[in-house]
Amino acid sequence: RKEVEQDPGPFNVPEGATVAFNCTYSNSASQSFFWYRQDCRKEPKLLMSVYSSGNEDGRFTAQLNRASQYISLLIRDSKLSDSATYLCVVNKETGRRALTFGSGTRLQVQP
Amino acid sequence: GAGVSQSPRYKVAKRGQDVALRCDPISGHVSLFWYQQALGQGPEFLTYFQNEAQLDKSGLPSDRFFAERPEGSVSTLKIQRTQQEDSAVYLCASSLGSRENIQYFGAGTRLSVL
Repeated sequence: RKEVEQDPGPFNVPEGATVAFNCTYSNSASQSFFWYRQDCRKEPKLLMSVYSSGNEDGRFTAQLNRASQYISLLIRDSKLSDSATYLCVVNKETGRRALTFGSGTRLQVQP
Repeated sequence: GAGVSQSPRYKVAKRGQDVALRCDPISGHVSLFWYQQALGQGPEFLTYFQNEAQLDKSGLPSDRFFAERPEGSVSTLKIQRTQQEDSAVYLCASSLGSRENIQYFGAGTRLSVL
């Protein structure tokens, strides 16, 4: 079983749609959680950190459920520019700085 | 520029050749990381430096892989006797402190071993 699992997609949605991505992680001791965005042949860029209380940044909402070891990302009012791969990222051990990435979920927003 | 800079952007090597990949982190960033990203996969951790000290090299796949950061700034990832399975994008990331976990990535070096 992979340490961070995501549905690879692709998710094909029309502009203006709401889309949700889920991610599960295997290590219950994981400390920090993030969503990164990666465009084709580009570097990953931080989209947002994820907190237990849930957090929102404009059209993006992230949720963490520690009991179920589950992270979600909701994108409202999708734009063409949201088309990318979304990487679920976990820092799985206290004292270790390495990030563990999922394989990514590909989103294609269509006009 | 203000971001993480990597060179070369592309490298083609013949199997058995040695290669050296360079990373210039964001100025003032204490922590530096190397990751390997295969096609269609997420990045996988290779090694981590805090200043010049290599604190974690648990992700290096074999003793052919070696990284250094002698003055606590620029880092070099060296791969000896390259093999076809080493073909991947090698990403460098840096973060400001020794505790902060937000990592900023460079554009990567795409290595193709023929």
